[in-house]
Amino acid sequence: DAEITQSPRHKITETGRQVTLACHQTWNHNNMFWYRQDLGHGLRLIHYSYGVQDTNKGEVSDGYSVSRSNTEDLPLTLESAASSQTSVYFCASSESNSGRWFFGPGTRLTVL
Amino acid sequence: QKEVEQNSGPLSVPEGAIASLNCTYSDRGSQSFFWYRQYSGKSPELIMSIYSNGDKEDGRFTAQLNKASQYVSLLIRDSQPSDSATYLCAVLYSSASKIIFGSGTRLSIRP
Repeated sequence: DAEITQSPRHKITETGRQVTLACHQTWNHNNMFWYRQDLGHGLRLIHYSYGVQDTNKGEVSDGYSVSRSNTEDLPLTLESAASSQTSVYFCASSESNSGRWFFGPGTRLTVL
Repeated sequence: QKEVEQNSGPLSVPEGAIASLNCTYSDRGSQSFFWYRQYSGKSPELIMSIYSNGDKEDGRFTAQLNKASQYVSLLIRDSQPSDSATYLCAVLYSSASKIIFGSGTRLSIRP
């Protein structure tokens, strides 16, 4: 069965370190997204991609970057982790124009 | 004004009653609307989608859309304890293939 996976599921890091969160989907979807979820804010879009070599900034992109070298993967990098980036991160994918989003299980990141 | 607004709750409903969840959105051009359910510690899962004005029923769930008033709602009939979760309203914005989520309404079904 097709799926979307994230790794690691839990991560603790220190302020200033570079961190990369992995997202891998086997749906063969063109569209992939990264969200963060914090209490009271719901899901906020960080970055998204509509296909290989395409990346776009979302509403909370500062301090984050993504790259899309193939259809299956969209890794999210925190260049220099900050305590304000402590959050739960969800990766999602969708078929083009379908409106149906499939979410990964999430990564809980703690920045000390 | 937030792009997608929901009452954060918690909304407490007795078992067997109807739970009513509401959502308003700001983009008049939006054509696609979704309800996601998220259990504590889990990822969101799609439960309903609606694209045209009126009601859409699926089992115990009914989604309602009124584009003129820019609101969408979700009714859950015969509420069960397993319905206790956070419900996220989501809107596919007309300007791009990206979905904007509301902050969610926490629903609690009391036995």
